Amino acid sequence: EIVLTQSPATLSVSPGEGATLSCRASESVSSNLAWYQQKPGQAPRLLSSGASTRATGIPARFSGSGSGAEFTLTISSLQSEDFAVYYCQQYNKWPLTFGGGTKVEIK
Amino acid sequence: EVQLLESGGGLVQPGGSLRLSCAASGFTFSSYAMSWVRQAPGKGLEWVSSISTSGSNTYYADSVRGRFTISRDNSKNTLYLQMYSLRAEDTAVYYCAPRSPGANPFDYWGQGTLVTVSS
Repeated sequence: EIVLTQSPATLSVSPGEGATLSCRASESVSSNLAWYQQKPGQAPRLLSSGASTRATGIPARFSGSGSGAEFTLTISSLQSEDFAVYYCQQYNKWPLTFGGGTKVEIK
Repeated sequence: EVQLLESGGGLVQPGGSLRLSCAASGFTFSSYAMSWVRQAPGKGLEWVSSISTSGSNTYYADSVRGRFTISRDNSKNTLYLQMYSLRAEDTAVYYCAPRSPGANPFDYWGQGTLVTVSS
């Protein structure tokens, strides 16, 4: 199975600052990678797919990039509502797999 | 508006069975593949099972293959997960999530139903 490794596990950021989250795959997933945001007590929400296409209603401060086995989610100027856990997920090959998550917390 | 309402969770003893349901609305259910994804308390997300639009193709994680069965009723816009031989490690919130056919992400998620396996 394809293993997705997210780093860092925790990121401490001040409101208004930017954040860069990494997702590395154990083999190429082409561009078949998605990012999700999950807040406490809530279901995950799709942020982007195809490595860089924002989902409907997602603010432009969220930006995905990468292809193959290296991917990045960049959040510019963090807002209070952005502090959450972020997961990457590959849908290139069965079984579908998720990364372990990156928690973005207030510094 | 897309709505996904999971139900059927609860407390079950190890070795027991449970059937989860997911009632869908707000989209053309029969045009979407459907999946179950679970999240153990305080842990990350784990894909469990998926089913094609017609139900003819099913996929399972190794951790549940042979114990869980996914199915759907397109006439009722409902997805199911029959779970047998439950173990403590199956304790989790179970989410249902649609995917457009082909290589696509989980577009939407339900709010989940909690399954607790404990004696």
